[in-house]
Amino acid sequence: AQKVTQAQTEISVVEKEDVTLDCVYETRDTTYYLFWYKQPPSGELVFLIRRNSFDEQNEISGRYSWNFQKSTSSFNFTITASQVVDSAVYFCALSEPPTSGTYKYIFGTGTRLKVLA
Amino acid sequence: AAGVIQSPRHLIKEKRETATLKCYPIPRHDTVYWYQQGPGQDPQFLISFYEKMQSDKGSIPDRFSAQQFSDYHSELNMSSLELGDSALYFCASSLRGWDEQYFGPGTRLTVT
Repeated sequence: AQKVTQAQTEISVVEKEDVTLDCVYETRDTTYYLFWYKQPPSGELVFLIRRNSFDEQNEISGRYSWNFQKSTSSFNFTITASQVVDSAVYFCALSEPPTSGTYKYIFGTGTRLKVLA
Repeated sequence: AAGVIQSPRHLIKEKRETATLKCYPIPRHDTVYWYQQGPGQDPQFLISFYEKMQSDKGSIPDRFSAQQFSDYHSELNMSSLELGDSALYFCASSLRGWDEQYFGPGTRLTVT
């Protein structure tokens, strides 16, 4: 069965600190896709990154970086030098090739990040 | 770049009323998804359409139905509304099934 666990319910940091958001997933498929989304207080869901199961290369985009480790079934997200604008709920999501139908997401419960000035 | 459009953005209904939510996917995207996000919860998959055909159903109540039209827009119809239906309803679309989904701004439904 598919499952995504974000054990950190809420994290508070002071501006300019680095912060890592954890995501652990469960799947029986060898092919799957992992995603991170940001949900700011305004409510929209903003796509951040997609990672395929066959590509373990880590990625950096500005202050954001992602560490994908299949051996530990983790896909962690690090924000370097956090800013107040990073305050949001961050969701990790998993999708698998369907036997029928579409690639629906299974979301984790989200981590609320508060960056204090 | 064009984004997913949802209307209305806010909707207030009374119990037992009906509601219709609309979604206009990004042009050329072939798959549309609907999700429901309760207060403080993660989004839950409701239903999806691939090339205008219903493709998958999640935890969607029988009181809800949805369809996708020839112009690819989709509507989520909700009847006999209950207080527990109060939530943020997202529509998302993707270019291909395995691609990332792009979400609309959501419709916030309040049932009183």
